[in-house]
Amino acid sequence: ETGVTQTPRHLVMGMTNKKSLKCEQHLGHNAMYWYKQSAKKPLELMFVYNFKEQTENNSVPSRFSPECPNSSHLFLHLHTLQPEDSALYLCASSQGQENSPLHFGNGTRLTVT
Amino acid sequence: KQEVTQIPAALSVPEGENLVLNCSFTDSAIYNLQWFRQDPGKGLTSLLLIQSSQREQTSGRLNASLDKSSGRSTLYIAASQPGDSATYLCAGGPGYSSASKIIFGSGTRLSIRP
Repeated sequence: ETGVTQTPRHLVMGMTNKKSLKCEQHLGHNAMYWYKQSAKKPLELMFVYNFKEQTENNSVPSRFSPECPNSSHLFLHLHTLQPEDSALYLCASSQGQENSPLHFGNGTRLTVT
Repeated sequence: KQEVTQIPAALSVPEGENLVLNCSFTDSAIYNLQWFRQDPGKGLTSLLLIQSSQREQTSGRLNASLDKSSGRSTLYIAASQPGDSATYLCAGGPGYSSASKIIFGSGTRLSIRP
């Protein structure tokens, strides 16, 4: 299997639930990213990991908690979300250097009820 | 703060036409630029990457160019086909750091009519 794989593809959760999104990359990249894509808005960078170390947190609420156990896996743990958190959550990876192209997964469509 | 504008926001043309999508940055200091395609409910597929030493890139019927002096990029699609229907996004980075500084446009939603 190649590329960037995200699971689940779709997730519906209540505001009191706890769930996790998973991302796995098979490209040998060093950097992994979480993006949020809401309707009619540009992609918003949430978190960046470079060599398993978090290098960026773009003022994301604490109800989103990332985890990067190794360079190939990235998780986004969710708890007590709000309906406005409903969006497409995209994972990406790259070599982590200048001129490194981003490679995206197909995303998880999250609906918070 | 860097902002990216993509014009037009939506475009519908008959099959076979050549078309141009535009992308502009408020800060012209763009080091590299990437064009993506996104199908409904899917992730982003990289189409072309213009690196710091380049001005344009070509892949099949697609050609992307970057004018660094103005911070503007165009994506040219030749002989459009219904399968080209998708949302096209541009993303640029300042180059003094990793890809974490890449900024995305809101996209152009393209529809090619058979």
